[in-house]
This record gives sequence, C-alpha cells and structure tokens, in this order.
Amino acid sequence: QSVLTQPPSVSAVPGQKVTISCSGSSSNIGSYYVSWYQQLPGKAPKLLIYDNNKRPSGIPDRFSGSKSGTSGTLDITGLQTGDEADYYCGTWDSSLSAVVFGGGTKVTVL
Amino acid sequence: EVQLVESGGGLVKPGGSLRLSCAASGLTFSTYSMNWVRQAPGKGLEWVSSINSASSSIYYADSVKGRFTISRDNAKNSLYLQMNSLRPEDTAVYYCARSPTGRLDYWGQGTLVTVSS
Repeated sequence: QSVLTQPPSVSAVPGQKVTISCSGSSSNIGSYYVSWYQQLPGKAPKLLIYDNNKRPSGIPDRFSGSKSGTSGTLDITGLQTGDEADYYCGTWDSSLSAVVFGGGTKVTVL
Repeated sequence: EVQLVESGGGLVKPGGSLRLSCAASGLTFSTYSMNWVRQAPGKGLEWVSSINSASSSIYYADSVKGRFTISRDNAKNSLYLQMNSLRPEDTAVYYCARSPTGRLDYWGQGTLVTVSS
C-alpha cells in the first residue's frame, strides 16, 4: 500500500495526451515539492520532473507537471511509442520522515 | 558526467548479511545527500534510507529500521548499505541515488540482492 496513490495504468494512441494523477496528503504533497520519475523497461528510474513543474536538462517539453493542494499531475502530450514506461511520483513525508513514492503508473501506447 | 555504480549484490540466505557499495564520480560527492531505493521483482519503487552530506541526518524506512545501516565515506566518494538479518522480502534491485533538494536526480544502474535458502 503506497502512501501516494496513482492509477495503475493509462493508455492512449500515438500523438494523444495522457494525464497521470498522484494523490497524497498534507504531510507529503501538501507540504513538499513533487517529483516524477520515468522507468523504461529493464532500466533504472530517471528524473522527469522536479519541484512540481521543472524539467531537468534534456527532458522534452512534452512532459509537464503541476500540483494543486495535495495532488500532483504529470501530463504527457504528443505521446510516442518510446514513452511506454512506468511512471512514479515521489516526495518527502514529514509524518513518516521518509521519501515516499506512488505505486507507479504503466503507460501503454496503443 | 555523474556516474553512480552499485556493487555488492548477490545471493544470500535468510538471516545473512550483505554490504552494498555505491561508487560516485563526476560530482562533488561530499556536498550531496544520498539515498538507497529498492525495487522488488515486478513491483514499484521503495525508498530504503537517506544520509545527508555530513552523515549527521540519517533516515530509514520502517521495513529496514534496526537491520540496515547506511553510511558514507566522502574521501572515497562512496556510499554504503550494511544489510543484516536479511529476509526473503528484502529481495530486490537496490539503487543508489543522489538527492540535491527533495528530488532524486541521478540513479545508478542497480545491484540485485536475492535472499533465498
């Protein structure tokens, strides 16, 4: 049971947009920045979004993040086959004194 | 280029011990907090432990508290995870990751730990 709640899967055809939600509470998302990680099959996770909506160098602007209250959102526009991966949200939780992740969302390109 | 390379994984019997290492290069290791994150086969990410740059703030997940010990040697640009009293549920790929402020921005390739009799 993950502290942050994500949908298990989302899917869309190439070129469309997918949205992944990440729901938390006041002790985590409500108080701290949200990060998003992309994990391609068989690979290590990679930072995709940090501080709610910032992209590291090299991450295309098709990926965007936002936060409202105790929820974060990752949008992927212009979906490509290479975007098929698992996506995780993460943040700090002050009640647990721990880094917490969502359970992960599998993105499938139909 | 930042590189994090984990080592020390392998097969160990329940109740046994293992020490993981993470060698860092391409960064000023001594100025960053570091983390261990694990991923059981077919499962999601689970944070294990964090240590700040001076080793003065250390945190553990409840699932490993009292059994695992995180440490670092800034002179050797290395991070460690001493794992004792290992259980089958500790079987996972273990990643080390750098955390500047609240995010895990660089990850190693991982090392597999298998706990089985």
